[in-house]
Amino acid sequence: SQQGEEDPQALSIQEGENATMNCSYKTSINNLQWYRQNSGRGLVHLILIRSNEREKHSGRLRVTLDTSKKSSSLLITASRAADTASYFCAPETGANNLFFGTGTRLTVIP
Amino acid sequence: KAGVTQTPRYLIKTRGQQVTLSCSPISGHRSVSWYQQTPGQGLQFLFEYFSETQRNKGNFPGRFSGRQFSNSRSEMNVSTLELGDSALYLCASSSRPEGAGETQYFGPGTRLLVL
Repeated sequence: SQQGEEDPQALSIQEGENATMNCSYKTSINNLQWYRQNSGRGLVHLILIRSNEREKHSGRLRVTLDTSKKSSSLLITASRAADTASYFCAPETGANNLFFGTGTRLTVIP
Repeated sequence: KAGVTQTPRYLIKTRGQQVTLSCSPISGHRSVSWYQQTPGQGLQFLFEYFSETQRNKGNFPGRFSGRQFSNSRSEMNVSTLELGDSALYLCASSSRPEGAGETQYFGPGTRLLVL
C-alpha cells in the first residue's frame, strides 16, 4: 500500500509542550508531505521533504525522514492551542496523487 | 492569488439521485485532484485531471466520474447516490508538471449528505 500510517491516532498535550507524530509507509517514495486539517475543513500544506533529505525545518515544525526505516516524524515545538488539528502524512511515489493515512488528532490544552 | 474554491459547500440529496460538485483551482494551476473523506475510510484519492485529461484514478466505482475544462475548472459527478457516499469531498490543485513533489492546495470541501 502507498498509504501513510500515522501514529498515535490521538495525542493530547499541554500548551507549550512539544508534540511528535510519526508516519510509516511501505513503498519507496520520491517525497513525503505533511498536511494539517482543522475540524471539517480543507487541508493545509505544512512541509514537503524529499527522499534525499533527512531533516527539514519550517518555523516551529521539524520533519525527519528515514527512508531505510520507511518512516517520518513531525515535531511541533512549543505547541499552541491553535495547533489543535488533525495531521496527515502523504507519501509520494511519483504520480500526482497523495495517499493519506487516517491522521493523528492533536489536542493542545490551553 | 485566490485560493481553491468549491461549490456548493453543503448539499443534501436522497438515495438514487445524482450530484455534481465544482472546483475552481488556483489561477495557473493545471492539475486538479479529488478526494473523499469519511470518518471510517479517512481521506481517499478519487482522481486527478491535468490539462483536461484524467491522469490518475483511485479505486472507486464508475458512479464517480469527473471532467476538467479548458480553464482548468473541474467537476465531479456521482450518480445513483448511496448512503455511503455521504462525505466531505475535497479538491486540490497544483502547478505540477509531469514530475512529483509539488504542494497541493486544498479547497474548503463540499459536505454531501445522502438521506
